[in-house]
Amino acid sequence: DAGITQSPRYKITETGRQVTLMCHQTWSHSYMFWYRQDLGHGLRLIYYSAAADITDKGEVPDGYVVSRSKTENFPLTLESATRSQTSVYFCASSESGFTGELFFGEGSRLTVL
Amino acid sequence: SQQGEEDPQALSIQEGENATMNCSYKTSINNLQWYRQNSGRGLVHLILIRSNEREKHSGRLRVTLDTSKKSSSLLITASRAADTASYFCATGSNDYKLSFGAGTTVTVRA
Repeated sequence: DAGITQSPRYKITETGRQVTLMCHQTWSHSYMFWYRQDLGHGLRLIYYSAAADITDKGEVPDGYVVSRSKTENFPLTLESATRSQTSVYFCASSESGFTGELFFGEGSRLTVL
Repeated sequence: SQQGEEDPQALSIQEGENATMNCSYKTSINNLQWYRQNSGRGLVHLILIRSNEREKHSGRLRVTLDTSKKSSSLLITASRAADTASYFCATGSNDYKLSFGAGTTVTVRA
């Protein structure tokens, strides 16, 4: 199916473990983004990418790593998970630039114990 | 940091009534967008208004933008139960990123 898919949808992990959240889009959009959503904070940008092999930090990048070897994939890795990284993570893509219309995935709910 | 701030935080209305929510922002923008999020789902784009536009319509949605007051409003007319959701404004600026507010939660009562 066309669209943007995230996996896993739900994940429980322990402090200190490495976690990778996957994001795959079928539109070949150049721009991709990772946001986290926390109560009272709205959505905060973690990392973004303008094209394959081009990534940059957003507002809250500490503790996260991204890669983009292929246009359609944009995985987000928490190298050593902390409780403060318990959140809902959203991947999004855009064909019209950094400030164009975003298409969101359904989210990955991560709990760090 | 949040650029846009929605007001009110929560809104409860009767089916058939209109719902109005506002978004204020701090710095100059290129565009302002509104998104809807149903419980447990991703955000869905509703409408984009550019900084040189004052009003835009899409179905039952009406968005206004007042750049002199740095504010926007989203009006949903003749609300339905399916409009129950959280609504977010997002501002696009020259820093090449969209900044989202904390959202307005709308509940439409049958």
